[in-house]
Order: sequence, then C-alpha cells, then structure tokens
Amino acid sequence: ETGVTQTPRHLVMGMTNKKSLKCEQHLGHNAMYWYKQSAKKPLELMFVYNFKEQTENNSVPSRFSPECPNSSHLFLHLHTLQPEDSALYLCASSQGAGSYGYTFGSGTRLTVV
Amino acid sequence: AQSVTQPDIHITVSEGASLELRCNYSYGATPYLFWYVQSPGQGLQLLLKYFSGDTLVQGIKGFEAEFKRSQSSFNLRKPSVHWSDAAEYFCAVAAANQAGTALIFGKGTTLSVSS
Repeated sequence: ETGVTQTPRHLVMGMTNKKSLKCEQHLGHNAMYWYKQSAKKPLELMFVYNFKEQTENNSVPSRFSPECPNSSHLFLHLHTLQPEDSALYLCASSQGAGSYGYTFGSGTRLTVV
Repeated sequence: AQSVTQPDIHITVSEGASLELRCNYSYGATPYLFWYVQSPGQGLQLLLKYFSGDTLVQGIKGFEAEFKRSQSSFNLRKPSVHWSDAAEYFCAVAAANQAGTALIFGKGTTLSVSS
C-alpha cells in the first residue's frame, strides 16, 4: 500500500470513447501531479495541483482534462484520444515542497485502439 | 530551468559486483534530489532523497548516494548488486521551498544483472 491509489490499473479505449482515470491519496498531502510515461521516453509532467488549484499545465492537449475536487482526489478525464496517447499514467502527491518525498501510485496502463 | 541528465541508458552488472549510476543536475539554487526505482509495469518507488546536511545519504535496499555540489552530481551506488535490483532507475530534482513544485526526471538508466 503506497498511500496513492490509482484506478483502473489497465484501460483499453477507442478513440471516440470518454473515460476517466482516478487518483486518491490518503497521506494528507496538499499537492498532486499527473505524469505520462511512454515507452522509450522520459517521464513527462502533465499537470500540477496545489491545494486544489491548478498551478501548472505543461502544454497538454485539451483532450486531457484534469479535475481536482479536493486535496485527496485527482481525476484525468479523457476524450477523443489518439493511439500515441497510449502510455502509463502516473499520479503522485507531495506535502508542500516535497520535503517528505513524492509518493507515486502504481499507474494506469492506457491503450488507445 | 531545472534539468537532469542520466548519461547511461543501459548498464549491465554482474551479480555481487558494485554499482554506480550517474546523475547530473542543473539548478541554480539548493535542489531537492531523489532516486527512484521502477520495476516493469509498476509505479515509482523512492530509494533515497537529499535535502541538506550530510552529503552521503542512505536509502532502502542497501543503496546510497552522494551529493557533490561542485560537480552538480548525485550518483547512486550499491556495493553488491542482487539479481532483484534489475529495474529502471530515475534521478529527479525539485526546487526546494516551493510548494507544489513538480519533480523533473532524467531519462532513466536500465540496470540488467547478469549471473
């Protein structure tokens, strides 16, 4: 149990589908992050939320829409994705500047067909 | 802007041999530095972190890392590698004292362990 739970673990979706990824942390952290990990590419930061407010959007296409209703939950809403969006999507959380470390979930393996 | 360079894409080490994975960072102020490990199909697990103080930090699974400000390096070491250490290793940097600052990762080093 890492303290950061991501669901689902695996997701296969068509290009016209709408789906959502969920991340939940039970650590009392106030910052949450979405990262994308593609094969043979470095981890890419997508979004940062600090106290429920989005503080960074790293030029992510609008077909990815984040939502942070409270400091414990983070969603990534997906629609009209492309096959190149297939990747491992990782959620992380931290307390403040991360002096206690950043905790990652196990990720959602997304395949777009 | 912060950046992290891991010069070695893939390293193979014999079981029982020592290991050193290189990491260089670019950041103007005092950084927070991290090493993470990722097994296939899994998320990232924190091995160790450096914020301040003693420049040699100990982590889990027998790993250690040394912060060298003059060389902008934070190399990961292990005196004797086990087959279960085969995984991908990521070095990361974050801006200190800035809430909600994301980690910036290197491209990772894949470690293979031969018997």
